[in-house]
Amino acid sequence: AQSVTQPDIHITVSEGASLELRCNYSYGATPYLFWYVQSPGQGLQLLLKYFSGDTLVQGIKGFEAEFKRSQSSFNLRKPSVHWSDAAEYFCAVGLISGTYKYIFGTGTRLKVLA
Amino acid sequence: DADVTQTPRNRITKTGKRIMLECSQTKGHDRMYWYRQDPGLGLRLIYYSFDVKDINKGEISDGYSVSRQAQAKFSLSLESAIPNQTALYFCATSDLAGPTYNEQFFGPGTRLTVL
Repeated sequence: AQSVTQPDIHITVSEGASLELRCNYSYGATPYLFWYVQSPGQGLQLLLKYFSGDTLVQGIKGFEAEFKRSQSSFNLRKPSVHWSDAAEYFCAVGLISGTYKYIFGTGTRLKVLA
Repeated sequence: DADVTQTPRNRITKTGKRIMLECSQTKGHDRMYWYRQDPGLGLRLIYYSFDVKDINKGEISDGYSVSRQAQAKFSLSLESAIPNQTALYFCATSDLAGPTYNEQFFGPGTRLTVL
């Protein structure tokens, strides 16, 4: 069965530090991959996506993610975190065959220390 | 104006009551989705619709029903609400083509509390 795993429920980093949020997926083919951010009281906003091509993708707000087929991973990174990045981050897989559904990870809540 | 809107934004109701959550979109997308979000569980798909005549159950459809009144409107109903349906509900849309192909666009959410 298809699944998305975000192993870190909570992450705390200091402002200015680098950040990596992990995402692993289970799917029989190359999926469409997404990272969304949810600020408190808000809906989900797309940070970046991967469909094909260059495995390092750039997104908004200075985020990037790298698709590693051999590891079934799509980790999100940011070189220097800002206090405004405190939010919950969701990795999602878009199933490209048949149903075009999406499967979301359980989320990683990021806390940023001043 | 927001592209995907949800009404109401907050609702408190009692067990056994019928509740309808509404979603409207101005993006012109054919595909619409209803999710619920629970702490620690992420987003789970309730129902999805690829056009007015195509409605499909998601992974947690029991206790819910939907209606796609038009391309732009997709409503979620709880016929007889129960406390474990207390959650944050999101509507989303996606498109089949163009630069935003397969991206999902989310509404602001409806926080539902069932007492």
